[in-house]
Amino acid sequence: KQEVTQIPAALSVPEGENLVLNCSFTDSAIYNLQWFRQDPGKGLTSLLLIQSSQREQTSGRLNASLDKSSGRSTLYIAASQPGDSATYLCAVINTNAGKSTFGDGTTLTVKP
Amino acid sequence: DTAVSQTPKYLVTQMGNDKSIKCEQNLGHDTMYWYKQDSKKFLKIMFSYNNKELIINETVPNRFSPKSPDKAHLNLHINSLELGDSAVYFCASSQDVGLNYGYTFGSGTRLTVV
Repeated sequence: KQEVTQIPAALSVPEGENLVLNCSFTDSAIYNLQWFRQDPGKGLTSLLLIQSSQREQTSGRLNASLDKSSGRSTLYIAASQPGDSATYLCAVINTNAGKSTFGDGTTLTVKP
Repeated sequence: DTAVSQTPKYLVTQMGNDKSIKCEQNLGHDTMYWYKQDSKKFLKIMFSYNNKELIINETVPNRFSPKSPDKAHLNLHINSLELGDSAVYFCASSQDVGLNYGYTFGSGTRLTVV
């Protein structure tokens, strides 16, 4: 059974800092990994999708990497802004089964 | 244009009532899902449909019944609501059943049972 852990559960940083969020998984035979952000009371917004043949994806100030051998994905946020404050979730996707396992999320607060 | 839309956004109802949540996607995706997010923010799959056919049915009480009249719609009907059903319910869609291109989520329906 796939288990997905996101550490830390909460993170508070001053504006402008670069930061890394972690997503660890137990079954290395994963296929895709998707990062989302969730604002309070809102839905999940897709940030980046890394397919199994890829090692990383970039969008603006965000960079996500995937290392299947170590069972880990990281989301790097450069030059953080207060608007980045949200909960960040990772989903480990088994494309063969059409199923995924979500982490519990990291709640990020960026202070002005 | 909202890609995955759910109605209603908020639902407050008494124990024992029956309620429905509707979901529509205009992305042309083949597969749709219902997820439940509890108070601890944990997301759990409930059901998924591919081209109107049920493909995932997790351990969910029989009081929950999904219905997909066409591949653009997936509704969730809940009978005899209980306090423990209070949660945020998310609809999602994916281009294919294998999730090769990931998910698109709706904005959620916050259900409160009193």
